[in-house]
Amino acid sequence: EVQLVESGGGLVQPGASLKLSCVASGFTFSDYWMSWVRQTPGKTMEWIGDIKYDGSYTNYAPSLKNRFTISRDNAKSTLYLQMSNVRSEDTATYYCTRDHTAYWGQGTLVTVSS
Amino acid sequence: DVVLTQTPPTLSATIGQSVSISCRSSQSLLHSNGNTYLNWLLQRPGQPPQLLIYLVSRLESGVPNRFSGSGSGTDFTLKISGVEAEDLGVYYCVQSTHAPWTFGGGTKLELK
Repeated sequence: EVQLVESGGGLVQPGASLKLSCVASGFTFSDYWMSWVRQTPGKTMEWIGDIKYDGSYTNYAPSLKNRFTISRDNAKSTLYLQMSNVRSEDTATYYCTRDHTAYWGQGTLVTVSS
Repeated sequence: DVVLTQTPPTLSATIGQSVSISCRSSQSLLHSNGNTYLNWLLQRPGQPPQLLIYLVSRLESGVPNRFSGSGSGTDFTLKISGVEAEDLGVYYCVQSTHAPWTFGGGTKLELK
């Protein structure tokens, strides 16, 4: 069974950095592109970006490219999202996904507030 | 970016009623490889989204066949033939033909 488990969310101050993780199981992680998607408290969905199965290529939403970095460790079956200089509008639930939108984790909530 | 406009934003239905949700794109979603990467998701309260339909009309494994998708180019429809209580939640269309992927604003299906 495909499982994706995100972690690393919480309350963070504006301007800080945060690194989210997504541990995958139930499939060969190194065979798949992986993505991050976020959902705001108002339920708007936004694609953040994705990463090639070997980590050699990444795509980002243009509005987030300068502050967010996606990486992976295939030996640990783990996907990462490094967030820097966070803003209040980054408050959202962050999901990792596989196969575009076929598989989703439960999400991790990030709240940006002073 | 591609804009996906979903209508209606809210849908009230009785159990057994058939309903449709529209998703219109600001540009064609036909990829140069011949595929159209338009999916439909359902998010039940307190749950992550789940995939219902992919590539416009293909039913995801385990999804009841009362769900169907249709359309082409810029105009797409999700139909539920006989709403059941477990179908309540928010439906989203999402495209991944053009980067960045984009989502519709959602359609909330509730009981009348």
